[in-house]
Amino acid sequence: ETGVTQTPRHLVMGMTNKKSLKCEQHLGHNAMYWYKQSAKKPLELMFVYNFKEQTENNSVPSRFSPECPNSSHLFLHLHTLQPEDSALYLCASSPLGTGYDNEQFFGPGTRLTVL
Amino acid sequence: DAKTTQPNSMESNEEEPVHLPCNHSTISGTDYIHWYRQLPSQGPEYVIHGLTSNVNNRMASLAIAEDRKSSTLILHRATLRDAAVYYCILRPTGNQFYFGTGTSLTVIP
Repeated sequence: ETGVTQTPRHLVMGMTNKKSLKCEQHLGHNAMYWYKQSAKKPLELMFVYNFKEQTENNSVPSRFSPECPNSSHLFLHLHTLQPEDSALYLCASSPLGTGYDNEQFFGPGTRLTVL
Repeated sequence: DAKTTQPNSMESNEEEPVHLPCNHSTISGTDYIHWYRQLPSQGPEYVIHGLTSNVNNRMASLAIAEDRKSSTLILHRATLRDAAVYYCILRPTGNQFYFGTGTSLTVIP
């Protein structure tokens, strides 16, 4: 399998549940990202990892907890979410570096609904 | 983070060229201009990027104004598969991208 994969593709959870989103990239990249896309709003960058180290946390509530065990895998652990957290969660990867020509490769996203 | 301004929506007839504009008057000298598109029910995908000179690839062309305060993504012959939301993004240093609301392109058969 190639590219960036995300599982599950759809998730429905209650506010008291704990669940995890998984992202895997087969591109040999060293940077990975979580984005949130709410209806009719721009993509919001949530977390950035470079070489498994978190380098960016854009004021994301603690009910979202990322984990990057290696350069190919990225998780987003969810607990006690709110209905307003319902959104499409996108994972992306890119080659490491501060070079200006690094494109990002996105997965298909996980559609999350919080009841 | 530098901002971009795009029209909310545009329409094009199939097989005709499409010019998608983007204004970025606060661009800095080191910001690259990236374009991504998002097809329905998919994640965004890279289209093209450039710094100062016009760029061409198999998907599209990017025309950058001489003062770099605006750019235009050109799809030479629109197809129904090009219907998507197109995002114009300024990429500062590092690995971050800041997406705006984009332009929703409708292609009319």
